[in-house]
Amino acid sequence: NFMLTQPHSVSESPGKTVTISCTRSSGSIASNFVQWYQQRPGSSPTTVISENNERPSGVPDRFSGSIDSSSNSASLTISGLKTEDEADYYCQSYDVTNRVVFGGGTKLTVL
Amino acid sequence: EVQLVESGGGLVKPGGSLRLSCTVSGFTFSDYTMTWVRQAPGKRLEWVSSISSVTTNIYNADSLRGRFTVSRDNAKNSLYLQMNSLRAEDTAIYYCAKNKYDILTEPIFDYWGQGILVTVSS
Repeated sequence: NFMLTQPHSVSESPGKTVTISCTRSSGSIASNFVQWYQQRPGSSPTTVISENNERPSGVPDRFSGSIDSSSNSASLTISGLKTEDEADYYCQSYDVTNRVVFGGGTKLTVL
Repeated sequence: EVQLVESGGGLVKPGGSLRLSCTVSGFTFSDYTMTWVRQAPGKRLEWVSSISSVTTNIYNADSLRGRFTVSRDNAKNSLYLQMNSLRAEDTAIYYCAKNKYDILTEPIFDYWGQGILVTVSS
C-alpha cells in the first residue's frame, strides 16, 4: 500500500492564494484519481475537488486541483482566501486493490 | 437535497457489539456504492468498508480483520455497519458516504453524513 503525505499546517492572509500539497509515496499519482475534502471544525467532510480537478456544484471556482507527475503529488489551490476557508483539508486516493488512502490532513489557518 | 443520517452510536464496553445505520434520501440509493469512513479523535480520516449497489461486492480495510460487516437494504434506503469485538481503538466518529459512482474500483465520495460517535470504554 502507499501513503499520502500532506503538510501538517499552512497559513495565509485573507485575499491571498495558498497551495496544499499531497505526495504519493509509491506508485504514480496519475494512476488513480485524487480527491480533496474540506472539514471545518466540528463538522463532517465535504467534497471540494474530485477526480484530480473537478469542482462539485456549489464549490467556488476559487478552489482548484491539479496533479504533477514529476513530483508525484497532487495540489489543492485556494485563491482569494476567505476566513470561511479555515478548515482541515484531506487528500484521498486509492490503490490497485481498491483500498482507500487518506492523507494526514492539513490545517489551513486564514489570518 | 441529498441527505445521509447516521444512527446507532453510543458507549459500548470493550468486546461488545454495535450496529450503525445510515438512512439516505435525495438520490436513488440502489444505484450507488456506499462507504463507511471513521475518524478517531484528532486523527485522520480512515476508510472502513465499501459495498456495491446490489451487495455483490464488498471491500474492507485489512486492519479490521473481519470484525466489521457492512450491509445494505435498498428497499429501506439504508446502509449498515455491524461492529463486533470492539476495542478502545475503534472509538471514533463514523461517517457514511455516498460514492460518486457505482464502481467499487473508483472510490470517490461526493456526499457525507454528519457522523455518529462510537465510544468503546469500560
